[in-house]
Amino acid sequence: NAGVTQTPKFRVLKTGQSMTLLCAQDMNHEYMYWYRQDPGMGLRLIHYSVGEGTTAKGEVPDGYNVSRLKKQNFLLGLESAAPSQTSVYFCASSYRGTGNTIYFGEGSWLTVV
Amino acid sequence: TQLLEQSPQFLSIQEGENLTVYCNSSSVFSSLQWYRQEPGEGPVLLVTVVTGGEVKKLKRLTFQFGDARKDSSLHITAAQPGDTGLYLCAGGFTKLSFGAGTTVTVRA
Repeated sequence: NAGVTQTPKFRVLKTGQSMTLLCAQDMNHEYMYWYRQDPGMGLRLIHYSVGEGTTAKGEVPDGYNVSRLKKQNFLLGLESAAPSQTSVYFCASSYRGTGNTIYFGEGSWLTVV
Repeated sequence: TQLLEQSPQFLSIQEGENLTVYCNSSSVFSSLQWYRQEPGEGPVLLVTVVTGGEVKKLKRLTFQFGDARKDSSLHITAAQPGDTGLYLCAGGFTKLSFGAGTTVTVRA
């Protein structure tokens, strides 16, 4: 009963370091998303994918890259972390697009110092 | 600028009281969703409204989709401490956008 799993759950990075957040879903969903959540800002879409091998930019894509090499995995990369990227990151998936239930992971807390 | 505006931003009420949360936009949506998020967890879908004027009930929660499909409301009757959380509305076309959310606190 895994659903959407994110790793790591917590991470502290120094400015300029790189890291990758991994998201895995076991529901055979086509669509996958990466959101960030900041106080008073709600959830903002970073990147999304509508199928294996495809990615697209969301509202706030700068400073992030993504890859969807396998249908069940969606990776979010930070090449050179900045303090402004301190946030809680949520991965999500859905069978198709809007109107379908989106299932979220439990979140990854990232602090950039 | 948020595509979806939620109000109020914060709401604190006593157990047993009623509350209403609003979600407004200048855009027309084919559907709107409401999610609830508890601290340390991801949002969980409560309901999807599709038809203009639609009213859906989920126990003590009543969701309404505006006739013009630009707005929605969530009404909780006789709120309980277990209703405490962040309520988010979401809508979109190819991809889903979220409002900033309403933090609801129900005091025992």
